[in-house]
Amino acid sequence: NAGVTQTPKFQVLKTGQSMTLQCAQDMNHNSMYWYRQDPGMGLRLIYYSASEGTTDKGEVPNGYNVSRLNKREFSLRLESAAPSQTSVYFCASSPDYSSTDTQYFGPGTRLTVL
Amino acid sequence: AQTVTQSQPEMSVQEAETVTLSCTYDTSESDYYLFWYKQPPSRQMILVIRQEAYKQQNATENRFSVNFQKAAKSFSLKISDSQLGDAAMYFCAYRSAWGAGGTSYGKLTFGQGTILTVHP
Repeated sequence: NAGVTQTPKFQVLKTGQSMTLQCAQDMNHNSMYWYRQDPGMGLRLIYYSASEGTTDKGEVPNGYNVSRLNKREFSLRLESAAPSQTSVYFCASSPDYSSTDTQYFGPGTRLTVL
Repeated sequence: AQTVTQSQPEMSVQEAETVTLSCTYDTSESDYYLFWYKQPPSRQMILVIRQEAYKQQNATENRFSVNFQKAAKSFSLKISDSQLGDAAMYFCAYRSAWGAGGTSYGKLTFGQGTILTVHP
């Protein structure tokens, strides 16, 4: 039982390049989330998927797209990377989209955009 | 919108002693959940403790306990008998209760974090 896994762990991009961050969970959770963490700002929600087949914008969705590929996998895509997207990205999952459930986080991806 | 504030960017404590991390939040909701997460250098976010707003009793998990003051909108974390492995960034987080309003009730709102250093 690996929990929530993310790939890659580190990535350096040039401005304008695209890439996809992968996330998978093996806990049979219904809900998945993408956050970004910037210094002094805590974590902010980018997108979430309350259940398989649905995705919704979070607090800071601009410049990102997501795909809930199946129940296990939730990917985050940067179509044209910008230096402002330099951050640490966390994927999380929870059994369901209700307040009684806590979220389980992956180890994060450190992304640098030059 | 809810906000969470951690006013202590950094704290330090001697091994075996007690330290308290502060957190305040702003909300107009009456039902919600509060969390403390630990983020060690590995970057993985680890749930430390959770408090339901409707419960008056403060949550406790081994050496970790909270002081939840609902009227004051304060939610501090006390770490007793501090250990070297407690060194990490600690985040306070807020989550709306089911059906309490808005469509983002599953969303966690985080504070800025407090870096805790433990001295041997």
